[in-house]
Formats: sequence, C-alpha cells, structure tokens
Amino acid sequence: DAKTTQPTSMDCAEGRAANLPCNHSTISGNEYVYWYRQIHSQGPQYIIHGLKNNETNEMASLIITEDRKSSTLILPHATLRDTAVYYCIVRVGTGGFKTIFGAGTRLFVKA
Amino acid sequence: NAGVMQNPRHLVRRRGQEARLRCSPMKGHSHVYWYRQLPEEGLKFMVYLQKENIIDESGMPKERFSAEFPKEGPSILRIQQVVRGDSAAYFCASSTKQLAGGPYEQYFGPGTRLTVT
Repeated sequence: DAKTTQPTSMDCAEGRAANLPCNHSTISGNEYVYWYRQIHSQGPQYIIHGLKNNETNEMASLIITEDRKSSTLILPHATLRDTAVYYCIVRVGTGGFKTIFGAGTRLFVKA
Repeated sequence: NAGVMQNPRHLVRRRGQEARLRCSPMKGHSHVYWYRQLPEEGLKFMVYLQKENIIDESGMPKERFSAEFPKEGPSILRIQQVVRGDSAAYFCASSTKQLAGGPYEQYFGPGTRLTVT
C-alpha cells in the first residue's frame, strides 16, 4: 500500500502557483520523498525529490516540513501542459526498491 | 541522450497468444523495472531486474508472466497465453546503480499498450 495521502483532485488557474500537498506521517528516517507526474497516458515523469531540506529545480520546488510528515510540491507558474496526475511517493534510497504508486492528485490547470 | 525506449508502442493479441514487450534502458542504466497500469488505475510494480538477475518479482503474477534482462539487448516482459484481463499499459523504467544510502530517480518509457481481443 502507498505510504502517502494526497487529495484526489485540485484546480489551478493558468499562471498561478499550484501547491500540491502530501501527507506521509509514517515516513522513516532513511526514506526520501519523490514526486512524479503522469500526463494523460504517457509514462510517469520524475519531477523532484528530497530528504529533509527544501529543494528546487527547473520544474518545481519541494517543501518538506521539519518533522517530515508532510510536504508540498509547488509549480510556480502553472501552464495548461501541467495538467496531469501527480504522485507523491516515499522510498528508501538504496536497494532499487519498487516504487509504490498511490492514486495521486489529478491537477487541472484552467485558462 | 535517448530516454527509455519501449516497443512496440501498441500490441494487439488474440486470447491464447504470446505477447513480448521490450524495454531498452537509458544509456548507462543497469536497473530495469516493469509496471502495469490497468485502465483508470494507478501503476502497479511487477518486477525489478539487473543485468542477468531478477532482484524482486513480488508483483509478478505467478503464472504466464516472465521477465528477463540479458547481458546484451533489451529487457523482455513475456506474457504467455494472454487473456482479456492482461489488457493494460505496461511501463518500463530504468535507473543507475544506487550509491549506498543515496537517492535515485527512475526514468520511465512511453509504455506499451497491450490489447487482448
């Protein structure tokens, strides 16, 4: 079973920031938080990951709370092409462990 | 740098036939993972392979399904005697060798959509 809880769906206006929350209250000390997204029926796309500190890359920012029990993925200026299902996943760093996908959040970006 | 490649992209098989799905990992990646996505459902892990080794096949159905990742060539997911319930999108992902304690990203291919008629 997935170790994360996400809202089923969210709306966001084009050009505004999209903030996608994720709860992972049972996260272990050696588990990373990863975000992927799946646009329509394409293969999932890696977005970002983090352990403790906030992270930012060209796609998004990841904010992890100090107790690591929740996180927020931020798309700073959402576009229509960001409409997708966003998956928050926790996974250990080593061992090549399988990725357990939950239901994710269906983000609708509207013009 | 080419991404993960899968072929065919679409495959139609009649019940009872065999389906062979191929996955070429990204250059430099030695770990391959297969996932299945049924219509309107999330991705489910099937199997994790390294070159010539199956590391974790806990998500593979006990019968009719097999996977390999030979020393040379792509990884193959093989489904024998397909049934209608096998109709799904099958995604392959690859990653590099993980450093101890370190994170790693899995990069996914475009998927193979199998339709069993």
